[in-house]
Amino acid sequence: AQSVTQPDIHITVSEGASLELRCNYSYGATPYLFWYVQSPGQGLQLLLKYFSGDTLVQGIKGFEAEFKRSQSSFNLRKPSVHWSDAAEYFCAVGRLTGGGNKLTFGTGTQLKVEL
Amino acid sequence: DVKVTQSSRYLVKRTGEKVFLECVQDMDHENMFWYRQDPGLGLRLIYFSYDVKMKEKGDIPEGYSVSREKKERFSLILESASTNQTSMYLCASRRSQPNEQFFGPGTRLTVL
Repeated sequence: AQSVTQPDIHITVSEGASLELRCNYSYGATPYLFWYVQSPGQGLQLLLKYFSGDTLVQGIKGFEAEFKRSQSSFNLRKPSVHWSDAAEYFCAVGRLTGGGNKLTFGTGTQLKVEL
Repeated sequence: DVKVTQSSRYLVKRTGEKVFLECVQDMDHENMFWYRQDPGLGLRLIYFSYDVKMKEKGDIPEGYSVSREKKERFSLILESASTNQTSMYLCASRRSQPNEQFFGPGTRLTVL
């Protein structure tokens, strides 16, 4: 069964500082991976996705993530955080082939940005 | 842009009531999903549907049922609401290819 671990429940960074949110997954085949962001009272918005190819993927709002198969990780990064980035971030893993059509989500990381 | 709408943003019901949560998507997606979101637990899949009248149980289906009579609409039903079903409910849809899911704004349900 697939699973996702986001080890940091809360992270606080200063505006302008760099950010890295950790995500580790467990899956026996080639995964496809996502990062979503949820602002307060809103649904989830896709930041970026990885299916295959270049292991460094670029997303919206200046975010990027790197797929490292050897470490089973898909960490999210941003070089300079803006106050508007304060939100909850979810990593998700799904099947690349076969049935199921399901994603498994991590428990989320709440990001606070200090001005 | 894909749009997923949910019938209510906030809902308050009493224990034992039958509750219907409605979700509509406008992009002809084959797959639709219902999740519940609770603090510290992330999103958990309740049910999903890969075609009209087709459904499969997710990870936490107990106490819920679903209905998909039309491709664009996916309903979540709480037959007899209980206080432990107080939660945020999120609907999502996607095409049949392994692509991203698009989410609605959520319904915050409180069962008293």
